[in-house]
Amino acid sequence: KQEVTQIPAALSVPEGENLVLNCSFTDSAIYNLQWFRQDPGKGLTSLLLIQSSQREQTSGRLNASLDKSSGRSTLYIAASQPGDSATYLCAVRRKTSYDKVIFGPGTSLSVIP
Amino acid sequence: NAGVTQTPKFQVLKTGQSMTLQCAQDMNHEYMSWYRQDPGMGLRLIHYSVGAGITDQGEVPNGYNVSRSTTEDFPLRLLSAAPSQTSVYFCASGQSGELFFGEGSRLTVL
Repeated sequence: KQEVTQIPAALSVPEGENLVLNCSFTDSAIYNLQWFRQDPGKGLTSLLLIQSSQREQTSGRLNASLDKSSGRSTLYIAASQPGDSATYLCAVRRKTSYDKVIFGPGTSLSVIP
Repeated sequence: NAGVTQTPKFQVLKTGQSMTLQCAQDMNHEYMSWYRQDPGMGLRLIHYSVGAGITDQGEVPNGYNVSRSTTEDFPLRLLSAAPSQTSVYFCASGQSGELFFGEGSRLTVL
């Protein structure tokens, strides 16, 4: 059974800092991994999708890496801004259960001006 | 672009009442799914569909019914609402392994 964890559960940083969010999964046989952000009372917005054959993906100030062998993905946010404050979730799609995406519990990020 | 549209955004029900949460997408995605999000439990998959006429159960299917008669629509039915079904419900559609979410429907069962 695939389990997905995210550490830390909450993070507070001053504006301008670079930061790393972590996502761990127990079954390395994944099809892809997707990072989302969720603002309070809103739906999930897709940030980055990494296929199992890829090592990283970049979009603007965001960079996501994937290490299947260790069961880890990291989301790197450069030069954080107050507008980055949100909950960040990772989701894993297994090769053997392609249609069932498993979500981590999320990391709540607060960027202090 | 509408993307994934969920209605209603808010609903209050009494125990035992039935209702349907609507989900529509305009991206021609074959894959659609329903999740519920609860504090401390995260997002849990209720039901999903890989195309019109095809549905399957997720992690927490009890108390919920789905059907998929068209590619665009994937309604979620609560036949007899219970307080344990108080939650925020999200519909998602997908293509090539990437998921896109609606804004959510907040349901309270008294």
